[in-house]
Amino acid sequence: SQKIEQNSEALNIQEGKTATLTCNYTNYSPAYLQWYRQDPGRGPVFLLLIRENEKEKRKERLKVTFDTTLKQSLFHITASQPADSATYLCALDRNYGQNFVFGPGTRLSVLP
Amino acid sequence: ETGVTQSPTHLIKTRGQQVTLRCSSQSGHNTVSWYQQALGQGPQFIFQYYREEENGRGNFPPRFSGLQFPNYSSELNVNALELDDSALYLCASSLYGSRSSYEQYFGPGTRLTVT
Repeated sequence: SQKIEQNSEALNIQEGKTATLTCNYTNYSPAYLQWYRQDPGRGPVFLLLIRENEKEKRKERLKVTFDTTLKQSLFHITASQPADSATYLCALDRNYGQNFVFGPGTRLSVLP
Repeated sequence: ETGVTQSPTHLIKTRGQQVTLRCSSQSGHNTVSWYQQALGQGPQFIFQYYREEENGRGNFPPRFSGLQFPNYSSELNVNALELDDSALYLCASSLYGSRSSYEQYFGPGTRLTVT
């Protein structure tokens, strides 16, 4: 059956360190993958999109990798700050923008 | 440029009732998707509307239905409400068909409680 997993429910790291979040999937062949940030009581906010033919994408302190062989995406936040504390969601596209599947999310806490 | 808005913010309904949630998409976007998010879980795709027609549907029963209007705003209707329908309902707009798109812009959500 199709499944998306994110490495853990919660991740605590120290300020200034690099946070690494994992998204694994089975029985999907997404054309691209997206990462979102969600704060409590609010809608998700789009962060990055990476296509199946791209290995890595960067935006400021954020980096995403996409390994279609391993069926895994890694999301890195470098020089993390307490303001980065939020839930991070990965989302797979199932049909070129017509059907997105979200993972359960990882709640990141950056401790000062 | 206005963002995605949803109304109402909160809603309390009784089991068996019907509810209509509304969404105004971001300026320039032509597609609206609806999601249900239970507490502590990721959003679950309900359906998507493009050019006023349903353009994809998740694993939700027919009592979940929707509309998209010519101005790209949208409604989600849920009939015969069940307790398990209690959740945050999210609307997301995007620009379908553009190579650089598929980025979804979410509204703040409507918190529905069914008692």
